[in-house]
Amino acid sequence: AQSVTQLDSQVPVFEEAPVELRCNYSSSVSVYLFWYVQYPNQGLQLLLKYLSGSTLVKGINGFEAEFNKSQTSFHLRKPSVHISDTAEYFCAVTRMDSSYKLIFGSGTRLLVRP
Amino acid sequence: NAGVTQTPKFQVLKTGQSMTLQCAQDMNHEYMSWYRQDPGMGLRLIHYSVGAGITDQGEVPNGYNVSRSTTEDFPLRLLSAAPSQTSVYFCARETGGRSNQPQHFGDGTRLSIL
Repeated sequence: AQSVTQLDSQVPVFEEAPVELRCNYSSSVSVYLFWYVQYPNQGLQLLLKYLSGSTLVKGINGFEAEFNKSQTSFHLRKPSVHISDTAEYFCAVTRMDSSYKLIFGSGTRLLVRP
Repeated sequence: NAGVTQTPKFQVLKTGQSMTLQCAQDMNHEYMSWYRQDPGMGLRLIHYSVGAGITDQGEVPNGYNVSRSTTEDFPLRLLSAAPSQTSVYFCARETGGRSNQPQHFGDGTRLSIL
């Protein structure tokens, strides 16, 4: 079975500072990896995905993530955050052979302060 | 809402009442799913469907039924609502024809069971 761990439930950061949101996963088979963002009272929006190839993937709104197979991690980064980045961020995985079953982490709330 | 329409947006039920949450997509995508979101637990898969007439259980299926008579619609039924089913429910569809495409989510239905 797969599992996803987001160690930080909340990450406060000042505007224009860099941020890293951590995600570790566990799986005995190969997986695809995703980051979603949820703004208040809205659904989830895909930020970026890792399917194969380059381990550094770039997404929308200036976010990027790096897949590290040896450390089973997929941390999300942004070099300079804005107030509008305040939201909940979810890491998710699927098995490559049943990629329609998403397994989510518990989420990290990013709080950007002026 | 990425082509996924959920109704209603809010609902309050009494314990023991039944209800159907509606989900409709405006494309002809085969895969649809239902998730529930609870504080500190991320999203968990309830049921999913890989095409009309085909449904299967996810991680937390107890207390819920689904059917898929058409490609467009995927309703979720609560036969006898319980307070433990108070949650935010999200419907999702796959974005394209390949199975490794990430899902797009509706805006959610916020359900309270008294």
